[in-house]
Amino acid sequence: EPEVTQTPSHQVTQMGQEVILRCVPISNHLYFYWYRQILGQKVEFLVSFYNNEISEKSEIFDDQFSVERPDGSNFTLKIRSTKLEDSAMYFCASIPPAGRYEQYFGPGTRLTVT
Amino acid sequence: LAKTTQPISMDSYEGQEVNITCSHNNIATNDYITWYQQFPSQGPRFIIQGYKTKVTNEVASLFIPADRKSSTLSLPRVSLSDTAVYYCLVGDGITGFQKLVFGTGTRLLVSP
Repeated sequence: EPEVTQTPSHQVTQMGQEVILRCVPISNHLYFYWYRQILGQKVEFLVSFYNNEISEKSEIFDDQFSVERPDGSNFTLKIRSTKLEDSAMYFCASIPPAGRYEQYFGPGTRLTVT
Repeated sequence: LAKTTQPISMDSYEGQEVNITCSHNNIATNDYITWYQQFPSQGPRFIIQGYKTKVTNEVASLFIPADRKSSTLSLPRVSLSDTAVYYCLVGDGITGFQKLVFGTGTRLLVSP
């Protein structure tokens, strides 16, 4: 069964550094999402992306965050200047073409900001 | 988006049936009820979705009464591998394009 993949599985970075989290959604999927989950807390929506532009973003997704689909397969989340509070699991998700409703989540990237 | 309320945690033993109830008093007419499962350090996984009455798939059943103000996820004969957090979500299920809004979920612990 096709699945969403994410790299790296764990990223350690210093405060103020830029990080790029990568996702490869399932190939025929059209909508893409990023969520994050701080340890012990809820899964929180960050941003949705369709047709090469942001569809919706949350209050968390401020100017430090950006998303990009640089080619036909990758979907990236960039954090320009990381803060300690950005430490979390970041999940990418995607959904198939119209007619299906479940979001397929990747295994996540654990980001640790020191 | 309708607010949901579900138990923080539940305990069960292998082989038992587990029923997790979710309250969603303010559910809208076009809202669907969707359940996701999350294992530790993994992304959530879709389990089941329904609008009314009963829906069953190979993993679970979902019971929704006529007033739709609550729903019950039923897991038949749980095993240790069913230990996870279960989330009840309410929203537009037709398109599925809208963001998912997760609550704190129900932490299910299955013991031998």
